[in-house]
Amino acid sequence: DIQMTQSPSTLSASVGDRVTITCRASQSIGSRLAWYQQKPGKAPKLLIYKASSLEGGVPSRFSGSGSGTEFTLTISCLQPDDFATYYCQQYNTEFRTFGQGTKVEIK
Amino acid sequence: QVQLVESGGGVVQPGRSLRLSCAASGFTFSNFGMHWVRQAPGKGLAWVALISYNGVNKFSTDSVKGRFTISRDDSKNTLYLQMDSLRAEDTAVYYCAKDGGFRSAVLETPNAWGQGTLVTVSS
Repeated sequence: DIQMTQSPSTLSASVGDRVTITCRASQSIGSRLAWYQQKPGKAPKLLIYKASSLEGGVPSRFSGSGSGTEFTLTISCLQPDDFATYYCQQYNTEFRTFGQGTKVEIK
Repeated sequence: QVQLVESGGGVVQPGRSLRLSCAASGFTFSNFGMHWVRQAPGKGLAWVALISYNGVNKFSTDSVKGRFTISRDDSKNTLYLQMDSLRAEDTAVYYCAKDGGFRSAVLETPNAWGQGTLVTVSS
């Protein structure tokens, strides 16, 4: 199976900060990568698909980039509603895998 | 709008079985693949299984192969996960999720999720 590794595991930031989360795949997945946001006790929410396509209704401060094995999720200006855990997921193979998650905390 | 409602969770002893259901509405169920994803308490997301829109393609993660079976009933707009030989490590919230690909044999990634149902495997 393809392994997905996110960094950092935890990130402390302030409202207004620019935040970047990295996701690395153990082998090339092209652009078949998604980013999800999850808040405690809630279902995940799709933010980005195909590495850089913004899901409808998601604020434009979220952006994704990368291809092959290295990807990033950027939040350009962190808002109070953005404190959550973020997961990447590859869907290049039938056997989908998630990264371990990055928790964005209030500094 | 898309609505996915899971049911069937509960407390079950190791080695026993449980069947989860996911009732779908707000979209044409038969046109989309579906996924099950789980999350153990305090842990991250883990993909469990997927089924294509036509039920032909089914895949599951190694840890549940031979024990869990994903299926669908398009006449009832319902997705199922039959879980047999349950183990303590299967304890998790189980989410069903709608795939983003329209009539896609290879499936894309989930773009809508239910609220989950908790399965606890304990003696």
